[in-house]
Amino acid sequence: SQQGEEDPQALSIQEGENATMNCSYKTSINNLQWYRQNSGRGLVHLILIRSNEREKHSGRLRVTLDTSKKSSSLLITASRAADTASYFCATDWGNSGYSTLTFGKGTMLLVSP
Amino acid sequence: DGGITQSPKYLFRKEGQNVTLSCEQNLNHDAMYWYRQDPGQGLRLIYYSQIVNDFQKGDIAEGYSVSREKKESFPLTVTSAQKNPTAFYLCASSIRLDRVDYGYTFGSGTRLTVV
Repeated sequence: SQQGEEDPQALSIQEGENATMNCSYKTSINNLQWYRQNSGRGLVHLILIRSNEREKHSGRLRVTLDTSKKSSSLLITASRAADTASYFCATDWGNSGYSTLTFGKGTMLLVSP
Repeated sequence: DGGITQSPKYLFRKEGQNVTLSCEQNLNHDAMYWYRQDPGQGLRLIYYSQIVNDFQKGDIAEGYSVSREKKESFPLTVTSAQKNPTAFYLCASSIRLDRVDYGYTFGSGTRLTVV
């Protein structure tokens, strides 16, 4: 399966700490995306990194991509209780010009006040 | 405000019944998708559509059917042939299927339970 795998499955930290989540995948990709899901809600797109990029920032989010290791990491700095959610990586790997996203199983992040 | 509306939020289905989940978007997106989410399983693709009157099977299409008669609408029917339909269903859209530099916009989901 091309499905990405997030690590860890669950992460519990205190407010103000940094949270790092990792994603590994199996084949070449066009881009990799990170999404956030609050409990019982839809997913929200956070950030997209293309296969020719190595690092990208958006506010308190930092994403890295290592295509040689087929892995990505999402860093949330200075976490807040409101960051509590599940985080999913999604890979776009189609080579025909048309593609769909394949999602991992997610990392559940709990940020305690 | 532009977005995707899924209805109903909760749906209960009796054994042997077909049920239809609604998905409407006003984002002027060409591509629409249906995913199923089970606990601990992540999201799995059921069907997707890149244009009106055209749709493609995803990884788990058996027991489901869709239609795309209007650009804005992509309803999903869960048929009686789907033996384990209890799940959280998510509809999403993107600008175009071949514009892979953009993320998906998701609806807030429909939780389907078999009773």
